Amino acid sequence: ETGVTQSPTHLIKTRGQQVTLRCSSQSGHNTVSWYQQALGQGPQFIFQYYREEENGRGNFPPRFSGLQFPNYSSELNVNALELDDSALYLCASSSGGGSSYNEQFFGPGTRLTVL
Amino acid sequence: DQQVKQNSPSLSVQEGRISILNCDYTNSMFDYFLWYKKYPAEGPTFLISISSIKDKNEDGRFTVFLNKSAKHLSLHIVPSQPGDSAVYFCAAKQYAGNMLTFGGGTRLMVKP
Repeated sequence: ETGVTQSPTHLIKTRGQQVTLRCSSQSGHNTVSWYQQALGQGPQFIFQYYREEENGRGNFPPRFSGLQFPNYSSELNVNALELDDSALYLCASSSGGGSSYNEQFFGPGTRLTVL
Repeated sequence: DQQVKQNSPSLSVQEGRISILNCDYTNSMFDYFLWYKKYPAEGPTFLISISSIKDKNEDGRFTVFLNKSAKHLSLHIVPSQPGDSAVYFCAAKQYAGNMLTFGGGTRLMVKP
């Protein structure tokens, strides 16, 4: 069984640029959640996709957007990058998508640095 | 406004002794609580969880206690081992949805 994978591992961008991060969910999982973890802090929920539809969003501006594909892999897009967007971006996959909790399995993350 | 707080950024414990990690929350709508462990360069891995209808859950060396009236939970690790050295995150979920709210983490160091 393949776990959650993310690419790239590291990325350096400059302020104002756009970035796309990718996530392959664990086999059999149809739900993907994205989190931002700033240095020294806990992960913060960005949004969740369930069967290709956004299924919940945290307190992040619209320049953070996402997609989920028919194979349940996902992308996180960030436009107009700001210095504060520098963080570890974590993807987590799970099965289900309803109100009961389904364990989320995290990938290793993508470290984004904005200069 | 932090809804989940871990007030101790770090904790150092001798091997074989008990490690107690604490977490406080403010949102009464949380119905499920989890602890995750994170090693450097890896994603968080699930450790143990507890539903809001229970006050204790045990899994091997790990026990989580929930005090709903105090809005407090704790993770006990007995006995602590050097391999337990990692950052531990407390997380909570609301009644509706699958979104997790995390605390800031506590770095546990278990000395041989």
